[in-house]
Amino acid sequence: EVQLVESGGGLVQPGGSLRLSCAASGFTFSSYSMNWVRQAPGRGLEWVSYISTSSGTIYYADSVKGRFTISRDNAKNSLYLQMNSLRDEDTAVYYCARGGYSSTWYYWGQGTLVTVSS
Amino acid sequence: EVVLTQSPGTLSLSPGERATLSCRASQSVSSTYLAWYQQKPGQAPRLLIYGASSRATGIPDRFSGSGSGTDFSLTISRLEPEDFAVYYCQQYGSSPYTFGQGTKLEIK
Repeated sequence: EVQLVESGGGLVQPGGSLRLSCAASGFTFSSYSMNWVRQAPGRGLEWVSYISTSSGTIYYADSVKGRFTISRDNAKNSLYLQMNSLRDEDTAVYYCARGGYSSTWYYWGQGTLVTVSS
Repeated sequence: EVVLTQSPGTLSLSPGERATLSCRASQSVSSTYLAWYQQKPGQAPRLLIYGASSRATGIPDRFSGSGSGTDFSLTISRLEPEDFAVYYCQQYGSSPYTFGQGTKLEIK
């Protein structure tokens, strides 16, 4: 059974940092591109970042470029999102999702809540 | 950036009725990379349709997708009580990947 489990969310002050993790199981992690998608309270879905299988291709939304860094460790079946210089508007539930050009976005984690507030 | 505009914002219908949701792109999108999701409160999005018209695994055949270029639609032929939710279209053919703002399907 495919599982994606996010962790690392919590309360952080503006300007602070947080590292999210997504633990993958039930499939060959190294064979699939991965993404982070977020959803602010009461708002719609916003794609955040994409990473290819070997980390050779990485994309970011303009809203996080220069502040967030996506990475993966295929040996540990894990996806990460390092978030620096956090702002109030980064408050959201962050989902990891498996998908890319050659695979559908069928599998999503349950999400982890990040709250940026003083 | 491809902007996806969904309409209507809210759709009020009764169980048994037919629902048609629209997703219009600001520039042409490859059908291969156009998807539809359903989301219920407190849950992760659920993939319904990929490749503009292919149903994802386990999705009932009352859900169908169509369209090409800049105009896409999701149709639910006969609404069941569990279909009332928020629906999003998404394109992932070019970065930045984008979602529409969502259509809320509510019980009339």
